[in-house]
Amino acid sequence: DTAVSQTPKYLVTQMGNDKSIKCEQNLGHDTMYWYKQDSKKFLKIMFSYNNKELIINETVPNRFSPKSPDKAHLNLHINSLELGDSAVYFCASSQDLTSGWGEQFFGPGTRLTVL
Amino acid sequence: TQLLEQSPQFLSIQEGENLTVYCNSSSVFSSLQWYRQEPGEGPVLLVTVVTGGEVKKLKRLTFQFGDARKDSSLHITAAQPGDTGLYLCAGEKGGSEKLVFGKGTKLTVNP
Repeated sequence: DTAVSQTPKYLVTQMGNDKSIKCEQNLGHDTMYWYKQDSKKFLKIMFSYNNKELIINETVPNRFSPKSPDKAHLNLHINSLELGDSAVYFCASSQDLTSGWGEQFFGPGTRLTVL
Repeated sequence: TQLLEQSPQFLSIQEGENLTVYCNSSSVFSSLQWYRQEPGEGPVLLVTVVTGGEVKKLKRLTFQFGDARKDSSLHITAAQPGDTGLYLCAGEKGGSEKLVFGKGTKLTVNP
């Protein structure tokens, strides 16, 4: 059984389009994250939600909008895609953030290619 | 400025050799995690160290947290091809709400 799942696995699209990536976790965790991993494998946090509430919002362009309909889901919508958005996007989850940084469980990633 | 510096960036060795990967910072961390990421997959946690000077062993992998909690090392004994992957360290600064990742060490163990 997959703990953290993301769809789609691969996403190829044209510049200017709007796209969404979905994430679901079945671990019962309270906290979910979106990370971006660039071509040099640098993993950087974008957003963090705890119980559907946004708690971390790094300096990410407004074109990126996370949405958490419930604590098991955290979706990422991207407007007006740019070439520089090409990367692998990872969703992750962990236990309640307030009790410290426990293990983060990562999804398999979504490779986004903007042409 | 990169908060966590990992070295070396790339490492290619033969099966059976030993190796050490380093994770250094000028900042103090309340805890530090090591992850391994295989191609096409997300990172998987290997270990978390929280006490200065702490040493943890995971089979052939030995993790050490520096006394001052600014650095950490990962030593692999008798490396095997299955150890191949990207090793990432990630640190939590006290009072921070985010985990900061290093840029990783890409390890290749050749049979």
